[in-house]
Amino acid sequence: QVQLVESGGGVVQPGGSLRLSCAASGFTFSSYGMHWVRQAPGKGLEWVAFLRYDGSNKYYPDSVKGRFTISRDTSKNTLYLQMNSLRAEDTAVYYCAKSPYGSGSYYDYWGQGTLVTVSS
Amino acid sequence: EIVMTQSPATLSVSPGERATLSCRASQSISSNLAWYQQKPGQAPRLLIYGASTRATGIPARFSGSGSGTEFTLTISSLQSEDFAVYYCQQYYNWPPWTFGQGTKVEIK
Repeated sequence: QVQLVESGGGVVQPGGSLRLSCAASGFTFSSYGMHWVRQAPGKGLEWVAFLRYDGSNKYYPDSVKGRFTISRDTSKNTLYLQMNSLRAEDTAVYYCAKSPYGSGSYYDYWGQGTLVTVSS
Repeated sequence: EIVMTQSPATLSVSPGERATLSCRASQSISSNLAWYQQKPGQAPRLLIYGASTRATGIPARFSGSGSGTEFTLTISSLQSEDFAVYYCQQYYNWPPWTFGQGTKVEIK
């Protein structure tokens, strides 16, 4: 069965960096698009990053563009989110989510999330 | 960017009753709409995609309808486990992929 397990969250000071990981299993990791989606405390869902199945395209919303980088290691079946220049408004639970296709779409599986807190 | 608007923000329903949730897109998204359920402390779960297709393992009491800009999620007879927050999401025109702000279904 499909499993997505995030890790790497924690408390970081404003301006700091953090790298999140998402270990994938139960499917052919290199065949599907992958996303990061976040949820600030008590708020709704916000898409954060997308990586096409072949790694050829990466997309970000303006709110994180230039600060966040999505990547993957297919030999480890792991998705990453490198977050730099963190701000208080980046505080959220970060979920990795799988697309049912190689390109962008809805999310058919989600991880349990990892909490990132940006605070001094 | 396509803006998704859900209504109402909160829906109070008694167990066994029908719940009707609405989602509106700021422009036509054809049938490229998904619905998710989220319970406290849990990740979202896919309920519906393609506006009306139930995801694997989703009970038949959940149904989706609509196309273009107006969409509805109906829960025919609310069970205790259905009290949660529901989000719609468009995947017609991306990036960005955008969500509605959510509808909380609470016990009346």
